[in-house]
Amino acid sequence: EDQVTQSPEALRLQEGESSSLNCSYTVSGLRGLFWYRQDPGKGPEFLFTLYSAGEEKEKERLKATLTKKESFLHITAPKPEDSATYLCAVQAIDTDKLIFGTGTRLQVFP
Amino acid sequence: NAGVMQNPRHLVRRRGQEARLRCSPMKGHSHVYWYRQLPEEGLKFMVYLQKENIIDESGMPKERFSAEFPKEGPSILRIQQVVRGDSAAYFCASSPSGTALLKLFFGSGTQLSVL
Repeated sequence: EDQVTQSPEALRLQEGESSSLNCSYTVSGLRGLFWYRQDPGKGPEFLFTLYSAGEEKEKERLKATLTKKESFLHITAPKPEDSATYLCAVQAIDTDKLIFGTGTRLQVFP
Repeated sequence: NAGVMQNPRHLVRRRGQEARLRCSPMKGHSHVYWYRQLPEEGLKFMVYLQKENIIDESGMPKERFSAEFPKEGPSILRIQQVVRGDSAAYFCASSPSGTALLKLFFGSGTQLSVL
């Protein structure tokens, strides 16, 4: 069964304190791995898609990387506005749906 | 260019009533997905629809739940005879057609509360 596990469940950082979020996945064949950001009371907002092991993508203070078993979302020098829940999802080959993890709730304090 | 629109944002129902949740996809998108989110849980897939067709309903409970996406108008998720366990945030997402790789755009959700 396709599965996504995210860790840690919650992360508290001081502003400027870099860290990484982990997403481990089990899937029959990976078509794509996705990172979303979700703010309270809102729907998930798309951040990145990664297709193959070794791939990296960056956006502002965020960088996503992918291996055959996991993905990392690296946050460099975070700011309070980066506080949100970060969701990881996978799409398996020959399927038309995303399987989501439970997310990492990030809080960045000034 | 409006995003995915869901209404209502909040819906309160008493046990046994019906709940109807609406979703208008982004302009040009013909694929609609419904997900349910409970506190401390991830987004759970419910159903995937294209215009006038249900493609995958493997995540939707067999009883009381139904979904449609008519040729004209929004997609509707209907929950009959609601129970307290149906209380959750329901998110709709849309994607354009013709791509094997999904890139879902989500609405802001409908928070259903069952009293």
